[in-house]
Amino acid sequence: KQEVTQIPAALSVPEGENLVLNCSFTDSAIYNLQWFRQDPGKGLTSLLLIQSSQREQTSGRLNASLDKSSGRSTLYIAASQPGDSATYLCAPQGNTPLVFGKGTRLSVIA
Amino acid sequence: DTAVSQTPKYLVTQMGNDKSIKCEQNLGHDTMYWYKQDSKKFLKIMFSYNNKELIINETVPNRFSPKSPDKAHLNLHINSLELGDSAVYFCASTSTGNTEAFFGQGTRLTVV
Repeated sequence: KQEVTQIPAALSVPEGENLVLNCSFTDSAIYNLQWFRQDPGKGLTSLLLIQSSQREQTSGRLNASLDKSSGRSTLYIAASQPGDSATYLCAPQGNTPLVFGKGTRLSVIA
Repeated sequence: DTAVSQTPKYLVTQMGNDKSIKCEQNLGHDTMYWYKQDSKKFLKIMFSYNNKELIINETVPNRFSPKSPDKAHLNLHINSLELGDSAVYFCASTSTGNTEAFFGQGTRLTVV
């Protein structure tokens, strides 16, 4: 059974900092891993999808890496902005549906 | 044009009622899901469904039932609503294999 852990649970940083969010999962037999963002009271927005054969994926200021064999992924956010404040969720997908961690709640202070 | 849409966005109802939440996707995906997000914001899978197979999370009460009239729709029907059913319910879709999943905006269900 896939279990996902995200560290830290919450993070507060001043604007402009680079930061790293961590995700670990117990079952490495995955097809891909997605990172999502959830704003308060809103749905989930897909940020990045990393295929199991890839090591990393980039979109703008976001870079996600995947080490499938060790069951780890990181989301790197460069030059953080107040608009980045949200909860970030990682979700590996294998033969079972997406399994979510409890997320990292990020606050970027102006 | 919304990829995955759910209706209603908000639903307030009394205990014991039966209600349905509708979900539609226009992405041509073959697999749809229902997730429940509880008060602690933890997302848990309820159902996974494609045109071949329905997979039910064994912890979901049988008062909950998914109904799929076609590949683009997966509705969630809930019988005899209880206070503990209050949560946000999300619909999602993807294609079998290695593709990105998309989520609807959620339905906030409040049982009073």
